[in-house]
Amino acid sequence: DVKVTQSSRYLVKRTGEKVFLECVQDMDHENMFWYRQDPGLGLRLIYFSYDVKMKEKGDIPEGYSVSREKKERFSLILESASTNQTSMYLCASRTGGAAGWNTEAFFGQGTRLTVV
Amino acid sequence: EDQVTQSPEALRLQEGESSSLNCSYTVSGLRGLFWYRQDPGKGPEFLFTLYSAGEEKEKERLKATLTKKESFLHITAPKPEDSATYLCATELIFGTGTRLQVFP
Repeated sequence: DVKVTQSSRYLVKRTGEKVFLECVQDMDHENMFWYRQDPGLGLRLIYFSYDVKMKEKGDIPEGYSVSREKKERFSLILESASTNQTSMYLCASRTGGAAGWNTEAFFGQGTRLTVV
Repeated sequence: EDQVTQSPEALRLQEGESSSLNCSYTVSGLRGLFWYRQDPGKGPEFLFTLYSAGEEKEKERLKATLTKKESFLHITAPKPEDSATYLCATELIFGTGTRLQVFP
């Protein structure tokens, strides 16, 4: 069974802290993604990675960084957490697809982060 | 700039009352249009992929169709367990979703 696992379901952090959100997939997928989801705004892409040690900025990368040292793990880092980063964070992975066609993404259960 | 727009934002149906959800998209070179279902507090779950205009996919009470500018998710005779938020997406971009509530 396909699995994308996020390290925490719920997290409470203080303003200014450095926060690490971990995501692990067991499907040998090339592509991994981090989204945040807010009411009325939907899922917004923060960063994505098409391969190990590669990363690309999404639509809202400010205040975030990522790390992908191993194929199965993609970490999202909040350098200095702020209250406007309170959100649901979703990790996803998918296989690279054939001949340029995209395949479906598999999502983790989400991490609800509250910054106080 | 790629865009995905879903309508309506919310839909309330009586059990058995069929309806359709709309997803309009503008992308440079579509390489797949995806539908997902999301239950409260959970990550989205894949439903369908459509690759070319005219394509249709079905699963139980759901049928997804694709044109060159839009996709529709048709729900036939829905049940309360179909209540969820339905998301449409292209390669990287998600719509804001349609929140469906089905009442007995």
